[in-house]
Amino acid sequence: QPVLTQPPSASVTPGQRVTISCSGSNSNIGNNYVHWYQHLPGTAPKLLIYRNDQRPSGVPDRFSGSKSGTSASLAISGLRSEDEADYYCAVWDASLSGPVFGGGTKLTVL
Amino acid sequence: DVQLVESGGGLVQPGGSLRLSCAASGFTFSRFAMNWVRQAPGKGLEWVSYLTTGSEIFYADSVKGRFTISRDNAKNSLYLQMNSLRDEDTAVYYCARDWGSPGWCIDNWGQGTLVIVSS
Repeated sequence: QPVLTQPPSASVTPGQRVTISCSGSNSNIGNNYVHWYQHLPGTAPKLLIYRNDQRPSGVPDRFSGSKSGTSASLAISGLRSEDEADYYCAVWDASLSGPVFGGGTKLTVL
Repeated sequence: DVQLVESGGGLVQPGGSLRLSCAASGFTFSRFAMNWVRQAPGKGLEWVSYLTTGSEIFYADSVKGRFTISRDNAKNSLYLQMNSLRDEDTAVYYCARDWGSPGWCIDNWGQGTLVIVSS
C-alpha cells in the first residue's frame, strides 16, 4: 500500500483541463505542505507547486494546486504538448520521519 | 543560477560500494539542507536521504544502515557513500537542494548520475 496514491496515468487532448489527485493520510498531507514536481525523462525534475498552492516564479498560471484534508490536487488547464510528462506529489511524513513521493502520474497529451 | 552536478555513478557488483558526489554552485551551499533522491528504471521518484544545515540526518528505510550522507561546506559538495549495494539500488541518483524555508521542500535538482548494480 503506497503512502501517497496517485493515478498512474491520464490522457487529455490539447486545450483541455486535467486534474491529478494525490491521496494520503494525517501523518503526511493532513498536517504538512504538499509540493508538486514535473519530470520529463532524461531531465532534472522541476518544482511546479509548493506549499499546496503556490507557484514558483516562471511557472505559468495554467498550473494550480489545492489541498483538502488528506488529499491534494494538481490542475493543469489549456493543455499543451509540452506538458506531457510525469507528475509527482511530495510531502513530509511524520510517521516515517522523512519525505515521501507519490507514485507519479504519466500525463499524455493526445 | 543554482547548479548541482552529480558524479561518481557507474557499474558495481552486488555487495560493492560506491561514493557519489554533488558539486554545488550559484548559492551559499552551507545555508541549505540537501537531499538525495533516486529513480529506478521504469519506477517513480524515491527519496533516499536528507541532511540539514544543523547536521540532522534522515534516511529512507530501504537504505538505512547501508548509505551515509555527508557534506563538505568548504568544498560546496554533498556526498552519498553507498555500501552493501543490491540490485534494487540500481537507479539514477539526483542531488537536490532544500528550499531553505521552514519545512521540507526540494526546489532545485541536478541532472542525476546512473548507478547500476549488477554482476
